[in-house]
Amino acid sequence: QQQVKQSPQSLIVQKGGISIINCAYENTAFDYFPWYQQFPGKGPALLIAIRPDVSEKKEGRFTISFNKSAKQFSLHIMDSQPGDSATYFCAASSPGGGSQGNLIFGKGTKLSVKP
Amino acid sequence: KAGVTQTPRYLIKTRGQQVTLSCSPISGHRSVSWYQQTPGQGLQFLFEYFSETQRNKGNFPGRFSGRQFSNSRSEMNVSTLELGDSALYLCASSTTTDTQYFGPGTRLTVL
Repeated sequence: QQQVKQSPQSLIVQKGGISIINCAYENTAFDYFPWYQQFPGKGPALLIAIRPDVSEKKEGRFTISFNKSAKQFSLHIMDSQPGDSATYFCAASSPGGGSQGNLIFGKGTKLSVKP
Repeated sequence: KAGVTQTPRYLIKTRGQQVTLSCSPISGHRSVSWYQQTPGQGLQFLFEYFSETQRNKGNFPGRFSGRQFSNSRSEMNVSTLELGDSALYLCASSTTTDTQYFGPGTRLTVL
């Protein structure tokens, strides 16, 4: 019930295309859903985050879509660029954290944007 | 503001040894969380400290321990190292909100 399932595992997109990464969760107590971007040799960097009272949040080329009833959320990267090539992680947390931690992460999606 | 810093960046140890990793959070952040990242298991939560007290703990054996000092700096210790402990250890700091900021990590290799 504490898992966050992320798909696809890897994604290849042409420059200028749209990258879409999906996540699903079971625990209805989750109330915070961030996306992190990680480049090789670096720590994860917060990209964008959303709470369940909002169905969509946009920051620049990055958009989170949130479907509370389906318990799913997704990251859309518009006009994908080679510099976006990285591993993306979705995550979720519930108030107080608990033994599973403040953040429960998906397994990650390795995005490759071809020039 | 300076970001989260972790030292050392790389470590090589042998089985049975112990290791201590250090994390300095962003100035003003009182919460420090530690995560283990491996290719097979992904990012897994180790523990969280807030105002020198362990607030949450993940499902790791007792060989993994940590502490936080009055200046919010944190250390984690792994005793009796095993090959499977080879991983990237990440520290993240936050205020009292959910947003966590990660450091670059310490790459631990156990031979």
